[in-house]
Amino acid sequence: AQSVTQLDSHVSVSEGTPVLLRCNYSSSYSPSLFWYVQHPNKGLQLLLKYTSAATLVKGINGFEAEFKKSETSFHLTKPSAHMSDAAEYFCVVSGVGTYKSIFGTGTRLKVLA
Amino acid sequence: EAQVTQNPRYLITVTGKKLTVTCSQNMNHEYMSWYRQDPGLGLRQIYYSMNVEVTDKGDVPEGYKVSRKEKRNFPLILESPSPNQTSLYFCASSLRGQLSSYNEQFFGPGTRLTVL
Repeated sequence: AQSVTQLDSHVSVSEGTPVLLRCNYSSSYSPSLFWYVQHPNKGLQLLLKYTSAATLVKGINGFEAEFKKSETSFHLTKPSAHMSDAAEYFCVVSGVGTYKSIFGTGTRLKVLA
Repeated sequence: EAQVTQNPRYLITVTGKKLTVTCSQNMNHEYMSWYRQDPGLGLRQIYYSMNVEVTDKGDVPEGYKVSRKEKRNFPLILESPSPNQTSLYFCASSLRGQLSSYNEQFFGPGTRLTVL
């Protein structure tokens, strides 16, 4: 069975400060992990994905995520928030051996000027 | 331009009136999927299709039907819509199903459905 938990439903940061969005997963299979971003009234766009080639994954717009198997986590970070980062972020788990995708409930990021 | 398209983008209907939301992709993807998005619940998978004529239930299939007669199209059918199906719906496609490598999904723009 697979599941994903996004630990914060809302996160507020000031512009220029670091961003941390937390995601824990559980998977019976070797997991595929993704972060997607959804800007207001828009569709979903891939930020980054874990492919097992490296535990630290770099994505678009300066975002990174680190896969930690021992902690079953895949937290999303960015060193310095920008106003344009305000959006909802979804952590997704899938995996070799399944065709299903499980989305987290989302984290809404607010960036304060 | 590579894309997933959905129609209609907005739909208001009444309880019990059959409707179809179309989804089409031009990337020759094998895998297609439908999700619904509700506040506080994230996206939940309704149905998915691994290839032509192969479909399976996601986590919330009740009240929905799908078909995959052609590779590019994956319509979502609500035979007797009810108010609890009021939601934002997304279609997505992927090169392969998640059974193979780490393929991301490409999402359509969404269809906002209101059932009165």
